[in-house]
Amino acid sequence: AQSVTQPDIHITVSEGASLELRCNYSYGATPYLFWYVQSPGQGLQLLLKYFSGDTLVQGIKGFEAEFKRSQSSFNLRKPSVHWSDAAEYFCAVGAGSGGYNKLIFGAGTRLAVHP
Amino acid sequence: DTEVTQTPKHLVMGMTNKKSLKCEQHMGHRAMYWYKQKAKKPPELMFVYSYEKLSINESVPSRFSPECPNSSLLNLHLHALQPEDSALYLCASSQDPREGTEAFFGQGTRLTVV
Repeated sequence: AQSVTQPDIHITVSEGASLELRCNYSYGATPYLFWYVQSPGQGLQLLLKYFSGDTLVQGIKGFEAEFKRSQSSFNLRKPSVHWSDAAEYFCAVGAGSGGYNKLIFGAGTRLAVHP
Repeated sequence: DTEVTQTPKHLVMGMTNKKSLKCEQHMGHRAMYWYKQKAKKPPELMFVYSYEKLSINESVPSRFSPECPNSSLLNLHLHALQPEDSALYLCASSQDPREGTEAFFGQGTRLTVV
């Protein structure tokens, strides 16, 4: 069965520091992978996606992610974190359900940013 | 316009009430979704509509009744809910219903059942 694991429930970084959020997936075929961000009480905003091709994908707000098939990972990175990046981050795999689109989310990582 | 608009933003209802959540998109997307997100949990898929037809029902109780009146609108009718149904209900849409298609989410409706 498809699944997504985000090992870190909470991460705290200082403003200006680099960031890496971990994501591991379990999926039989080549996965469709996504990172979403959710501010408190808000909906989800897509940061970036991987379908195929270049394993390093660029997203919005200065985020990037690298797909590593050998490690079944899709880690999210940002070189310099801003206070406004504090939010919940979800990694998701686009799993088919009868051929239809179904996102399976990891448990999420809550990011806190210290000034 | 890349927005998915949900109304209301907040809803409090009693267990005997009937209410509806509304979702609208004007991106020409042909797939629309309802997700449920309990506090401190990830979203979980409830329903998928593909070309205005219900394609997936993830074993959701019948007290939740989805409706897709046209390609831009998606409703979720609520009746006889339980307090454990309190959650953030998220609507999403995608260009088509195929696996892996990028989904755009609305801001959600925060539902409290009392």
